[in-house]
Amino acid sequence: EVQLVESGGGLVQPGGSLRLSCAASGFIFSDHYMDWVRQAPGKGLEWVGRSRNKANSYTTEYAASVKGRFTISRDDSKNSLFLQMNSLKTEDTAVYYCTRNIAVAGTFYFDYWGQGTLVTVSS
Amino acid sequence: DIQLTQSPSFLSASVGDRVTITCRASQGISSYLAWYQEKPGKAPKLLIYAASTLQSGVPSRFSGSGSGTEFTLTISSLQPEDFATYYCQQLNSYPLTFGGGTKVEIK
Repeated sequence: EVQLVESGGGLVQPGGSLRLSCAASGFIFSDHYMDWVRQAPGKGLEWVGRSRNKANSYTTEYAASVKGRFTISRDDSKNSLFLQMNSLKTEDTAVYYCTRNIAVAGTFYFDYWGQGTLVTVSS
Repeated sequence: DIQLTQSPSFLSASVGDRVTITCRASQGISSYLAWYQEKPGKAPKLLIYAASTLQSGVPSRFSGSGSGTEFTLTISSLQPEDFATYYCQQLNSYPLTFGGGTKVEIK
């Protein structure tokens, strides 16, 4: 059974840092692209960024709103995905989801999602 | 960036109703579109990918259609467990974007 379990959320002051983790199980983690998606309270879904797999050199993509502040990394030996968040702003307050991707006809769809971890940026 | 506009943003329907949600893209995205269902306190669930392919385990009352800039999600006969918020997502180009959501409530 595929499982994605996020951790590391919490309350942080503006300008602070936080590192989220996503522990994956039930599939060959190293084969898959993985993404982060967030949802601010009462709002819609917002894509944060992507980590490609080893075959694609672990390259990353980011939303403009987080580029330069957030860094996605992964440790395939530990089946884990990470989101390092620096220079946090109040508008980064959201539930952060880790998602697994499946490759279909030239692109990648989010077929499994974790339960999310809440990040609150407030003084 | 590709904008996705969902309509309606809210709809009220009864069990057994046929429901259609539209997603319009600001530019062509071929068939690189997914639909997700979200219930309060739960993670979103993939329903449809590649615009019209039903994800494994999703009931056949859900269907998707469209290509280019206009897409629809149809629920042929609304069931009590279908009351939720639905999002479309384009995967044609970065940044990946979601529609604003359609909340389906009980009439």
